[in-house]
Amino acid sequence: GNSVTQMEGPVTLSEEAFLTINCTYTATGYPSLFWYVQYPGEGLQLLLKATKADDKGSNKGFEATYRKETTSFHLEKGSVQVSDSAVYFCALSSNAGKSTFGDGTTLTVKP
Amino acid sequence: DTEVTQTPKHLVMGMTNKKSLKCEQHMGHRAMYWYKQKAKKPPELMFVYSYEKLSINESVPSRFSPECPNSSLLNLHLHALQPEDSALYLCASSQPDRNYGYTFGSGTRLTVV
Repeated sequence: GNSVTQMEGPVTLSEEAFLTINCTYTATGYPSLFWYVQYPGEGLQLLLKATKADDKGSNKGFEATYRKETTSFHLEKGSVQVSDSAVYFCALSSNAGKSTFGDGTTLTVKP
Repeated sequence: DTEVTQTPKHLVMGMTNKKSLKCEQHMGHRAMYWYKQKAKKPPELMFVYSYEKLSINESVPSRFSPECPNSSLLNLHLHALQPEDSALYLCASSQPDRNYGYTFGSGTRLTVV
């Protein structure tokens, strides 16, 4: 079956530090890959996506590249802000109607 | 309109009560989902509706009963719940296309007493 593995958290960074959250996946076929963010007390928001190998998704300064050879989709941001503090979920979808989520990584950014 | 609206935001119910959660979207999405999320865990899929028909039921207990009256509305009827059913219930919508990604509502925080 499909699975998504995220780096364990929590992750604590100082403002303006570089962020990497690792995500690897196992899937049959050619999945689409997503990063979602969840702020406290809210639902998940789609942050970015990539639908085929070598695609780069980007949004709000965050980036992730679909690497088929390493089955990875690592999330990066060059300079984090306090407002980026949230839980980040990596996910894949290989069939319409069903996505597989990673366990989530909690990011705390300190001023 | 790019939102999924869920009501109520908070709900406390007894184990003998009947209540309903509601979800609405006006983005023209033809797939709608119910997820359950426990604290510090990823969302767990409960039900999927595609073109207003139930397409996936992830072996959810019958005390949870979904309903999709039309393409914009999704309900979750609750009856005889247990305290362990306390969680954040999230509704999401999408197109039935694996490339699309989901739009989630803010959720209903349910407490069963």
